[in-house]
Amino acid sequence: RKEVEQDPGPFNVPEGATVAFNCTYSNSASQSFFWYRQDCRKEPKLLMSVYSSGNEDGRFTAQLNRASQYISLLIRDSKLSDSATYLCVVNLNTDKLIFGTGTRLQVFP
Amino acid sequence: EAGVVQSPRYKIIEKKQPVAFWCNPISGHNTLYWYLQNLGQGPELLIRYENEEAVDDSQLPKDRFSAERLKGVDSTLKIQPAELGDSAVYLCASSLARENEQFFGPGTRLTVL
Repeated sequence: RKEVEQDPGPFNVPEGATVAFNCTYSNSASQSFFWYRQDCRKEPKLLMSVYSSGNEDGRFTAQLNRASQYISLLIRDSKLSDSATYLCVVNLNTDKLIFGTGTRLQVFP
Repeated sequence: EAGVVQSPRYKIIEKKQPVAFWCNPISGHNTLYWYLQNLGQGPELLIRYENEEAVDDSQLPKDRFSAERLKGVDSTLKIQPAELGDSAVYLCASSLARENEQFFGPGTRLTVL
């Protein structure tokens, strides 16, 4: 089993739609969690950290469920500029980031 | 403020040739990482430096890969000899400390023919 698993997609959604991605992780000792965004042929960039209480940043909401070992990312009112690959990232207690394979989102007009 | 700088951006070589990648992290960032990213995959850590010390190189294929960060600032990753399977994007990242956000460079896209 992979340490971090994501549905690779692609998720094709119209502008204005709400879309959600899930990610599961295998190591229950994982300490911290992130979502990174990666545009085509570009480097990954931090989108948001994921806290136990959940967190929201504008149209983006991240949730953590430690009991079920999954994290989620919800994007409301999708924009064309949201088209990218979203990488789920888990930090083991060794301070090593483990990246998922990414979920590709394509927002169309 | 300048971000993480990597060079070259692209490199095409024949198998069995050596190749080297250079990374200059954000000024003041003590922690430096080298990642490998294959198409359709997430980045995989090769090595992490805290200043000039390599603190995690468990995923670095040491038979052909080597890295150095002699003065605790910029770093070089070398492959010798390169194999066809080494074709990938090599990303460098840096952070203030290991628990802080990592900032990635644009990567070096290596093609081995």
